[in-house]
Amino acid sequence: GAGVSQSPSNKVTEKGKDVELRCDPISGHTALYWYRQSLGQGLEFLIYFQGNSAPDKSGLPSDRFSAERTGGSVSTLTIQRTQQEDSAVYLCASSFNRGVIYEQYFGPGTRLTVT
Amino acid sequence: QKEVEQDPGPLSVPEGAIVSLNCTYSNSAFQYFMWYRQYSRKGPELLMYTYSSGNKEDGRFTAQVDKSSKYISLFIRDSQPSDSATYLCAMSASGTYKYIFGTGTRLKVLA
Repeated sequence: GAGVSQSPSNKVTEKGKDVELRCDPISGHTALYWYRQSLGQGLEFLIYFQGNSAPDKSGLPSDRFSAERTGGSVSTLTIQRTQQEDSAVYLCASSFNRGVIYEQYFGPGTRLTVT
Repeated sequence: QKEVEQDPGPLSVPEGAIVSLNCTYSNSAFQYFMWYRQYSRKGPELLMYTYSSGNKEDGRFTAQVDKSSKYISLFIRDSQPSDSATYLCAMSASGTYKYIFGTGTRLKVLA
């Protein structure tokens, strides 16, 4: 079946512009995560959606970052007034959140470059 | 100090070698320990997970957890060039959806 997809795969933007990154999770997965992966920094948790519950936004680095998940499926991560330090790979993952561990299935990521 | 520490490498080994990848952690609440493999320009994929202490084997891969030392390892036997990737450890406390990831170790297996 189809895995997690993300678009665009690459995005180059000028400092100060807004960007939107999209994630299509695996059908039926109730949970969705956004992470940021910077060189030498590992995966940094940004936000978590689970069903109709209020999202866990505790990882968003500033109020320039926001995310929404419409209809329990597609999610969009928005970064306003981008800064050079926002340059990173943004990864989306989805999971069933049942069983022993909540196995996360990752998309290929969006590589964001802010010039 | 980070909650999870992992040597970034790169680690270069000849084909057929035994590879040892390691992570240390500071949070004694961690109960689930996972290893992800990430190929270049791809998202991570789950390789193995273990619960609490002990060993788990899957083909050429063995995961070990030593909770007393707060130390986990992934061993790869008979390494192949196709094993060349970045390996990330991840950990979570019981009943939580939040994983804490290591920075990843880049492995190169030379043919």
